[in-house]
Amino acid sequence: GQNIDQPTEMTATEGAIVQINCTYQTSGFNGLFWYQQHAGEAPTFLSYNVLDGLEEKGRFSSFLSRSKGYSYLLLKELQMKDSASYLCAVRDSNYQLIWGAGTKLIIKP
Amino acid sequence: IAGITQAPTSQILAAGRRMTLRCTQDMRHNAMYWYRQDLGLGLRLIHYSNTAGTTGKGEVPDGYSVSRANTDDFPLTLASAVPSQTSVYFCASSEGTSGDEQFFGPGTRLTVL
Repeated sequence: GQNIDQPTEMTATEGAIVQINCTYQTSGFNGLFWYQQHAGEAPTFLSYNVLDGLEEKGRFSSFLSRSKGYSYLLLKELQMKDSASYLCAVRDSNYQLIWGAGTKLIIKP
Repeated sequence: IAGITQAPTSQILAAGRRMTLRCTQDMRHNAMYWYRQDLGLGLRLIHYSNTAGTTGKGEVPDGYSVSRANTDDFPLTLASAVPSQTSVYFCASSEGTSGDEQFFGPGTRLTVL
């Protein structure tokens, strides 16, 4: 079966750094996506990794290790507006996205 | 219009009724998708279309049908709604089907009683 695992909820402090992990077991791999979803809103694209290594985009970075079936999203200099759910998704051998249940990130002042 | 629109925003429906959720995009994207999102579960693909005139079944297609008569529109129909179809439905599109990001509509919150 196909499976994407993420922590259900994490709490962090404004200004700090947080790492959200994602492990996956899928039939084939054609890239991994991270999306942000604020409560009551649609998911929005954050990052895409298809090769091993770190992709940096401003305060957000995403890392991929294909051999370990592992990715993480790193958020630096946390702001209150970063309170949201973060969704990990893997594109499988059929080029369809398999989604994790998401990690709800709570930022405290 | 800029991006993807969905209608209605929300709907309460009696079980057994037929319902069509509308989705329109103006980005001339080839691929379109319908997902449902339920609490504690990831987004689940219902149906998809890689290009106008073609459709395919996703992970949870039973009870739903789609059509793709043109590039812009991708309606989702519930032939006879059941309470287990209570969910938030998101339509999405992407330029292609390889490494392209998916853009999501605002969602339709559907309650079946």
